Amino acid sequence: QKEVEQDPGPLSVPEGAIVSLNCTYSNSAFQYFMWYRQYSRKGPELLMYTYSSGNKEDGRFTAQVDKSSKYISLFIRDSQPSDSATYLCAMNRNQGGKLIFGQGTELSVKP
Amino acid sequence: GAGVSQTPSNKVTEKGKYVELRCDPISGHTALYWYRQSLGQGPEFLIYFQGTGAADDSGLPNDRFFAVRPEGSVSTLKIQRTERGDSAVYLCASSLRLTNTDTQYFGPGTRLTVL
Repeated sequence: QKEVEQDPGPLSVPEGAIVSLNCTYSNSAFQYFMWYRQYSRKGPELLMYTYSSGNKEDGRFTAQVDKSSKYISLFIRDSQPSDSATYLCAMNRNQGGKLIFGQGTELSVKP
Repeated sequence: GAGVSQTPSNKVTEKGKYVELRCDPISGHTALYWYRQSLGQGPEFLIYFQGTGAADDSGLPNDRFFAVRPEGSVSTLKIQRTERGDSAVYLCASSLRLTNTDTQYFGPGTRLTVL
């Protein structure tokens, strides 16, 4: 079993929809949680970073962490075609910067 | 400013050959990471450096893989006796410091194909 599980999709939504992306993890030692966005043939870029359980909002994006359930989510409001990309969750322990990634969810937002 | 750069962008080689992949981190970043991303998968950690020394090489799959960062800036990932299973995108990232909270900035990757 992988340490981080993420539904690979693909997920297709109409423009303006609310998108929900999720990851589960098995290791309670994970303390820091990130969402990266990766466009085709590009490197991942950091979207959101959270530490504690709860919600964190940045514009149209909201990251949610539930450590008791070992479950993290990313919500995208008013989705745009430019949001079409692969979304990767990532997390790490208190051991420096080594990141453990999920498989990635491929999102397509149709105009 | 300039981001992380990786060369070559694409590399095609034959099984059994030796390859070197280069990473130029963001200027001033002390930490450098290598990941490998297979098709349809998330990046998988290989190794990271703090300065010139490898702080954690636990992700290197076997002794055919080796990485160096001799002057604490540019890094080279070296793969000996390449196998078809080594085909993947090799990503490099750098961060200002080696902490959990410092953002890792990724390069575009080197797409390695082993025939």
